[in-house]
Amino acid sequence: AQSVTQPDIHITVSEGASLELRCNYSYGATPYLFWYVQSPGQGLQLLLKYFSGDTLVQGIKGFEAEFKRSQSSFNLRKPSVHWSDAAEYFCAVRDPNGSFQKLVFGTGTRLLVSP
Amino acid sequence: DVKVTQSSRYLVKRTGEKVFLECVQDMDHENMFWYRQDPGLGLRLIYFSYDVKMKEKGDIPEGYSVSREKKERFSLILESASTNQTSMYLCASSSPRDRDNSNQPQHFGDGTRLSIL
Repeated sequence: AQSVTQPDIHITVSEGASLELRCNYSYGATPYLFWYVQSPGQGLQLLLKYFSGDTLVQGIKGFEAEFKRSQSSFNLRKPSVHWSDAAEYFCAVRDPNGSFQKLVFGTGTRLLVSP
Repeated sequence: DVKVTQSSRYLVKRTGEKVFLECVQDMDHENMFWYRQDPGLGLRLIYFSYDVKMKEKGDIPEGYSVSREKKERFSLILESASTNQTSMYLCASSSPRDRDNSNQPQHFGDGTRLSIL
């Protein structure tokens, strides 16, 4: 069965500093990979996705993520964090051969941005 | 843009009540999903549906049922609400294929925060 680990429950970053959120997955092959963001009181918004090809993917709001097969990781990065980036971030995986596009989510990382 | 609308943002019900959570999507998506979100547990899939009148159990279906009588609407039902069902409930929809024939991600509603007293 697929699983996703986000080892950091909370992360605090100073505004303007760089950010990296970790995501590791467990799956027999290469899954489809996603990062979602949830602002307070809101639903989930897709930041970026990886299906195949270039292992560095660009998303919205200046985020990028790099797929590393050897480390089973899909870490999210941003070079300079803004106060509006404070939110909860979820990594998710999907079986490319699975039906119905079911997602398996990590437990999330809450990002706090300090002035 | 895809719009997934959940009928209530906040809901307070009593133990033992039958509770209906409604979700509507406007993009003619085949797949619809119900999740619950709890601190430290992330999102867990309760039920999903891949077509009208079709449903499949997710990871935590106990105490819930669903209904999909029309393609755009997917209802989550708590048959007899209990306090351990106090949670945030998120609905999502997706389509197996989009215009570019790619697999599309799930689109989420804003959630319903349900409190059972």
